[in-house]
Amino acid sequence: EIVMTQSPVTLSVSPGERATLSCRASQSVSSNLAWYQQKPGQAPRLLIYGASTRATGIPARFSGSGSGTEFTLTISSLQSEDFAVYYCQQYNNWPPGTFGQGTKVEIK
Amino acid sequence: EVQLVESGGGLVQPGGSLRLSCAASGFTFSSYSMNWVRQAPGKGLEWVSYISSRSSTIYYADSVKGRFIISRDNAKNSLYLQMNSLRAEDTAVYYCARDRPPTDYWGQGTLVTVSS
Repeated sequence: EIVMTQSPVTLSVSPGERATLSCRASQSVSSNLAWYQQKPGQAPRLLIYGASTRATGIPARFSGSGSGTEFTLTISSLQSEDFAVYYCQQYNNWPPGTFGQGTKVEIK
Repeated sequence: EVQLVESGGGLVQPGGSLRLSCAASGFTFSSYSMNWVRQAPGKGLEWVSYISSRSSTIYYADSVKGRFIISRDNAKNSLYLQMNSLRAEDTAVYYCARDRPPTDYWGQGTLVTVSS
């Protein structure tokens, strides 16, 4: 089973600043990597798939990069609605579609 | 608009059974594979089960294999999860999610609590 490791666990950022989240796979997942945003009491929302393609309706301030084992989600200028938990998921070696443990982006 | 609405959660004793349902609308349900994903209170996401569009391919997480059964009824636009021999560690919010891949639309979830 592929293990997905996200860092940091918590990221404290001021509104308007840039946030950079990392996700590492224990073996190559090619570009089959997705990012999700989850707010308290809500279901996860797909942000990025194919490592770098924004899902429908996702603002351009969200961008994804990487391939193989190292991936990054960047939020260029944090808005108040962006404070949430972010998960990466690999879907290259399926099943299972393993998730990372999450990164909480909180207000600094 | 894609909508997924789960139901059937609740409180059940250890060893008991529960059947979850997911009603789909706003897309051609029979054309998509579907998943169940769960989230224990305060924890991360755990994929549970997958079923292909015509039910020909089914997968389960090791943690539920032999106890849970996924199924679907394309005529009713519905996905199901039959959960047997429930354990305390199965306590979670259960989400149904459409498979693009990856999972692109999620329901709001239904809470399953296993406790005596």
